[in-house]
Amino acid sequence: AQSVTQLGSHVSVSEGALVLLRCNYSSSVPPYLFWYVQYPNQGLQLLLKYTSAATLVKGINGFEAEFKKSETSFHLTKPSAHMRDAAEYFCAVRFLSGNTPLVFGKGTRLSVIA
Amino acid sequence: GAGVSQSPSNKVTEKGKDVELRCDPISGHTALYWYRQRLGQGLEFLIYFQGNSAPDKSGLPSDRFSAERTGESVSTLTIQRTQQEDSAVYLCASSLAPILASTGELFFGEGSRLTVL
Repeated sequence: AQSVTQLGSHVSVSEGALVLLRCNYSSSVPPYLFWYVQYPNQGLQLLLKYTSAATLVKGINGFEAEFKKSETSFHLTKPSAHMRDAAEYFCAVRFLSGNTPLVFGKGTRLSVIA
Repeated sequence: GAGVSQSPSNKVTEKGKDVELRCDPISGHTALYWYRQRLGQGLEFLIYFQGNSAPDKSGLPSDRFSAERTGESVSTLTIQRTQQEDSAVYLCASSLAPILASTGELFFGEGSRLTVL
């Protein structure tokens, strides 16, 4: 079955520390992959996307993600966390077998400690 | 408009009442989606409209849920005889192209928070 899993519902890092948010998918065909961010009381905003071009994708606000087919992963990273990065992060997948909309993970809430 | 607009932003209702949630997509976007976000959960797909084609209703959780869209404009999500488990944030999104013709990127509204007492 096609699915997307985000490991860790809550991640807490110190300001300036590395951010690593994990996302794995289950599919026999490499899908399109997305990371969205949701700041408090706001809608979801696209951070970055992978659509079968370069496997290392750079997004807004210093975030990047690497598609690893062998690991069926698309983890989100940022070298140095800032207070303004505190938000909910969602991994989303567009599976290419069928006419299906985006499937979202359950989200990871990132807290940044001063 | 400049972005996806949803109303109301907050709705508190009593169990058993009907509610209507409205979504105004980005002008020119042919595809419109409704998702539900319950506390601590990911986004749950509800329904997808593409132009004048029959909508994909595969995500609607029960026959109490329905949605309409007129052409490529406003959509209304209706929940009849609301239950407490319907409490959630209902998110609307739009995209420029249909699913198969695009990478799938969606543009989201800020959501309508529904609380059923």
